[in-house]
Amino acid sequence: GAVVSQHPSRVICKSGTSVKIECRSLDFQATTMFWYRQFPKKSLMLMATSNEGSKATYEQGVEKDKFLINHASLTLSTLTVTSAHPEDSSFYICSAGVYRVFYTEAFFGQGTRLTVV
Amino acid sequence: SQELEQSPQSLIVQEGKNLTINCTSSKTLYGLYWYKQKYGEGLIFLMMLQKGGEEKSHEKITAKLDEKKQQSSLHITASQPSHAGIYLCGAVHGSSNTGKLIFGQGTTLQVKP
Repeated sequence: GAVVSQHPSRVICKSGTSVKIECRSLDFQATTMFWYRQFPKKSLMLMATSNEGSKATYEQGVEKDKFLINHASLTLSTLTVTSAHPEDSSFYICSAGVYRVFYTEAFFGQGTRLTVV
Repeated sequence: SQELEQSPQSLIVQEGKNLTINCTSSKTLYGLYWYKQKYGEGLIFLMMLQKGGEEKSHEKITAKLDEKKQQSSLHITASQPSHAGIYLCGAVHGSSNTGKLIFGQGTTLQVKP
C-alpha cells in the first residue's frame, strides 16, 4: 500500500519561532496533499489543500500567513507554522490521495504533535 | 452546522456488548471512510464505502452505507478492550474525489472489562 511519512513526530518550540513539518509520499506521487489539525479530544479539521507547483487552498478561518504551505515536488509538502504561539500547540496530520480506478484512497501520515512553550 | 454529524460523541460499553456509531452527512456522499485513532497518534484505516447499500466487514467490525439517508453506520460485535479509542468518519463530498475528507466530530469509545 501507499505510505505517507510525516516528520517530525513531535516538536517543542519556543514562542515566536517557526516550525516546519514535512509530509512525504514515499512510494507514490501526490499532486495533492491535505493538512489537518486536531485539537485535544476533538476531530480532525481540514486546514488546507496543498497543490504541487501552485498555491495552497486554505479553508475558511485558517490564516495563510500563519500556516505556510509549500508543495515543491510531487512527493513533498511542508507546513510551516510561523511565529508560533502556545495556542498553535496541536496535533497536525497530513494525507495524500492515491487514485484508483473508481475512487481515490486517502493515506495519512503519522501526525506531528507540536508544543509551543 | 456540521457537514458531518457523528453520534454518539462518546460511548461506554461493557466488554462483550454490541454497539453502533452513526455518521450522517448534510451533503451528497461520494465516499465514506472509517478510521480509528488514539488521540495524538495516527489514523488506523478501517473501511471505505462507496456505493449505496455497500456493506463491509473486518473481524468484528461492520460498516454500511445508506445512500438515501446519506448515512453510514459502524457496528462492533462483542466489543473488547482493544476496540477502545476514537472512531472517526470522513466523508468525500466532491465528485472529483481528490482524497479530501471532511471529518465528523468523532466518537470516543470506552470498553469496560
